[in-house]
Amino acid sequence: EAQVTQNPRYLITVTGKKLTVTCSQNMNHEYMSWYRQDPGLGLRQIYYSMNVEVTDKGDVPEGYKVSRKEKRNFPLILESPSPNQTSLYFCASSKGQDPYEQYFGPGTRLTVT
Amino acid sequence: GEDVEQSLFLSVREGDSSVINCTYTDSSSTYLYWYKQEPGAGLQLLTYIFSNMDMKQDQRLTVLLNKKDKHLSLRIADTQTGDSAIYFCAETNYGQNFVFGPGTRLSVLP
Repeated sequence: EAQVTQNPRYLITVTGKKLTVTCSQNMNHEYMSWYRQDPGLGLRQIYYSMNVEVTDKGDVPEGYKVSRKEKRNFPLILESPSPNQTSLYFCASSKGQDPYEQYFGPGTRLTVT
Repeated sequence: GEDVEQSLFLSVREGDSSVINCTYTDSSSTYLYWYKQEPGAGLQLLTYIFSNMDMKQDQRLTVLLNKKDKHLSLRIADTQTGDSAIYFCAETNYGQNFVFGPGTRLSVLP
C-alpha cells in the first residue's frame, strides 16, 4: 500500500531534550516536506526537499533541522525543543511534477512541557 | 510572505450545496488545491486547478478560480454528513513552497 508513515504518532517531552520525528514514504517520490498545524493558522511549511541531499527552508524553519540522505526518509529534528513547538506535525511527499499532488502522513502530535 | 485566507466555519443542511471560499495573494501561483482533513487524520487532496483555468468540475465538486481577484471557491453539491471536515485551500508556485489557508470547518446538519 502506497503510504507516508510517521513515528512516533504521539510524543510528550520536556524543554531542551533533543528529539527526532521520522518520516518515510514508499512511493519513490522525489519531493518531501514537513508542516506544522496550529489552530487558526492552518498548515505552515517548515522545510522541504526537492531531492536527496537538497533541502530548503519553508515559512517557519526556526528551531528545526532536517536531512535527506536517502530518497524514502526525511526526518525532522528538534535539537532543543521549546513549548512553542507544541503542535501537530505532518510529513508529505510528492512526485515533484505537475500537478504536485502531496500525500500526507497521519500526523505526529508533539507536546513540549 | 504570501498569504491564503479562508473563513473558519460553515454550517449547511444535509442535501444543500456548500460553498467554501478562499483568497490568496501570490500572483505567481501555478496550482491551487483543496484538501480535506477528517478528525484525527492527515490531509487528503480533493481536487486542484491549474492557474490558467477558471473552472473545474469533478462529480459533486466544482472549483471556480477568479485569477484577477485571486479568489478560489469550492462548491460541494448535495452535501452529506460524511462531508463534515476541515477544508484547506493551498497554493504553490511550481511545487516547491506551499502555502495553506487556516482551514474552513464544515458542519453538515441533518
